[in-house]
Amino acid sequence: NAGVTQTPKFRILKIGQSMTLQCTQDMNHNYMYWYRQDPGMGLKLIYYSVGAGITDKGEVPNGYNVSRSTTEDFPLRLELAAPSQTSVYFCAGQSLNTEAFFGQGTRLTVV
Amino acid sequence: KQEVTQIPAALSVPEGENLVLNCSFTDSAIYNLQWFRQDPGKGLTSLLLIQSSQREQTSGRLNASLDKSSGRSTLYIAASQPGDSATYLCAVEKYGGATNKLIFGTGTLLAVQP
Repeated sequence: NAGVTQTPKFRILKIGQSMTLQCTQDMNHNYMYWYRQDPGMGLKLIYYSVGAGITDKGEVPNGYNVSRSTTEDFPLRLELAAPSQTSVYFCAGQSLNTEAFFGQGTRLTVV
Repeated sequence: KQEVTQIPAALSVPEGENLVLNCSFTDSAIYNLQWFRQDPGKGLTSLLLIQSSQREQTSGRLNASLDKSSGRSTLYIAASQPGDSATYLCAVEKYGGATNKLIFGTGTLLAVQP
């Protein structure tokens, strides 16, 4: 039981490049979330999903896309990387009325 | 729009002291409230979850209370230790069937001095 796993841990992208941040969970969580964390700013919700096939925008969705084809996987896609997307990204999973479990994060730098 | 605020932003205390961290939220129609701990360069670890029908939860030296009507929660840490040094975040959960969201505060950075 690995919990919530994110890959990669670190990545440097050039402006305009694209990439997918992977998130997978083996705890059968219905709810999954993507957050970004900037220094002193707390965690901002990018996208979330309440189940396979269902996704919705959070507070800061611009520049990102997600999909939820299976319960286990919730990848986050950056199509045209911009310096403003330099951040630490966290994926989390949660079941109804239980605590949320977080991955270890992906540190992304866009140069 | 739900806004979550944590005060103080940073706190330094000597070892052994009892302390209180505060969390306030603007929309009292919440489902749950959670307290998390984050160590530098790491992910978040859940400490306590308080359901909307509960007033408090306890785990070891930690006690979290919830007052929905006033939009406040507190995390009480008894007999603090240097190992408690970390950032503590609260998050409120608003459940709406298809719109379950977990909204975070900005956190309190705690340093416990040996």
